Amino acid sequence: DSQLTQSPSTLSASVGDRVTITCRASQSIGSWLSWYQQKPGKAPKLLIYKASSLESGVPSRFSGGGSGTEFTLTISSLQPDDFATYYCQQYNSYPGTFGQGTKLEIK
Amino acid sequence: EVQLVQSGAEVKKPGESLKISCQGSGYTFTNYWIGWVRQMPGKGLEWMGIIYPDDSDTRYRPSFQGQVTISADKSISTAYLQWSSLKASDTAMYYCARRGSGGYYSLWGQGTLVTVSS
Repeated sequence: DSQLTQSPSTLSASVGDRVTITCRASQSIGSWLSWYQQKPGKAPKLLIYKASSLESGVPSRFSGGGSGTEFTLTISSLQPDDFATYYCQQYNSYPGTFGQGTKLEIK
Repeated sequence: EVQLVQSGAEVKKPGESLKISCQGSGYTFTNYWIGWVRQMPGKGLEWMGIIYPDDSDTRYRPSFQGQVTISADKSISTAYLQWSSLKASDTAMYYCARRGSGGYYSLWGQGTLVTVSS
């Protein structure tokens, strides 16, 4: 069961900034990684699957990259709606563990 | 509309039993695995287990095995998560989610808040 470590745990940024969140796996998971956005009191929302594929309806300012053990989620120009918590999740092996989350805050 | 609709919030006492539900609509319920995710107050997401409604094949995360029961009734397109004896530490938001053919989870229920308090 691959463990996932996200960094940073908290990220302060301003509207218009470019930000990157990193997710590291304890063993290779190929490209079997997804990214979710969660806002308070709401269910997670899928942003990226298979490491770099953008889910339908998700703005193109979101992009994912990486393979093997190191992955990134990049937001090219932060919008007010993007301040939320982001989770990576591996589905290479059951049960498909999540990272601990990265809270993106307004600076 | 393709959706998962979960049952409403529950307030229970320690030792009581509980069964919460997740009903799928707008798609063939038996074709997709349904998973359950726990989110304790202020904490991250944890997979609890997953079920294939067509044959009720069920897998549990080891830490949840024996603590909860996951089941499904395909005749009414509904999956369930149940406890026989709740503890205060079961207080959390619980989400169901549909696993797509690619292995990721693109469809989520709205969540069920379970509060266990004496």
